[in-house]
Amino acid sequence: GESVGLHLPTLSVQEGDNSIINCAYSNSASDYFIWYKQESGKGPQFIIDIRSNMDKRQGQRVTVLLNKTVKHLSLQIAATQPGDSAVYFCAENNAGNMLTFGGGTRLMVKP
Amino acid sequence: GAVVSQHPSRVICKSGTSVKIECRSLDFQATTMFWYRQFPKQSLMLMATSNEGSKATYEQGVEKDKFLINHASLTLSTLTVTSAHPEDSSFYICSAVKTGRFDTEAFFGQGTRLTVV
Repeated sequence: GESVGLHLPTLSVQEGDNSIINCAYSNSASDYFIWYKQESGKGPQFIIDIRSNMDKRQGQRVTVLLNKTVKHLSLQIAATQPGDSAVYFCAENNAGNMLTFGGGTRLMVKP
Repeated sequence: GAVVSQHPSRVICKSGTSVKIECRSLDFQATTMFWYRQFPKQSLMLMATSNEGSKATYEQGVEKDKFLINHASLTLSTLTVTSAHPEDSSFYICSAVKTGRFDTEAFFGQGTRLTVV
């Protein structure tokens, strides 16, 4: 079936560096994508979203890039901080507002 | 942003008993809520779609008689794990869909850690 997946299970970065988390999706009909942050023992928190008619969207310290040609999504975090340590999921919003989640990437920020 | 409250956050129950988890949208009405299950170090897996006033739609492989879902009002959905077994131990998360004038967005509860002993 259709799926959304991530390339790297764990990403370790130095505090202050930029982080890039990648995600591949397979449903070419998907038109809306979301990045979530999940801290240990908590539910996912919305970070940023992007629609398929865009290829880039910026938030506060975060940027999402969408490459529809290769069905790839990335989340860039600028000046990574210890509080950014968490698991990050990309999600694909398909018909009926259902979300299909990728496998998740654990971001570890070293002080 | 909108708030979704999930209760309890942690529960330990004996094998064979039933556990009810509540998901409430506190400041908006949600005709649709979703229930997810998450095993350690894995992604969220959709279990079922809960629709207010109608029967839930279950994903393939999810036993509807074991995971009872009730969405009796626009602000409350409940998931009851019946005759719980240790393999049901997991992290359960709900989300509620808020439909605005121009867009829709999903908000998540805090999750419930279920441990069956």
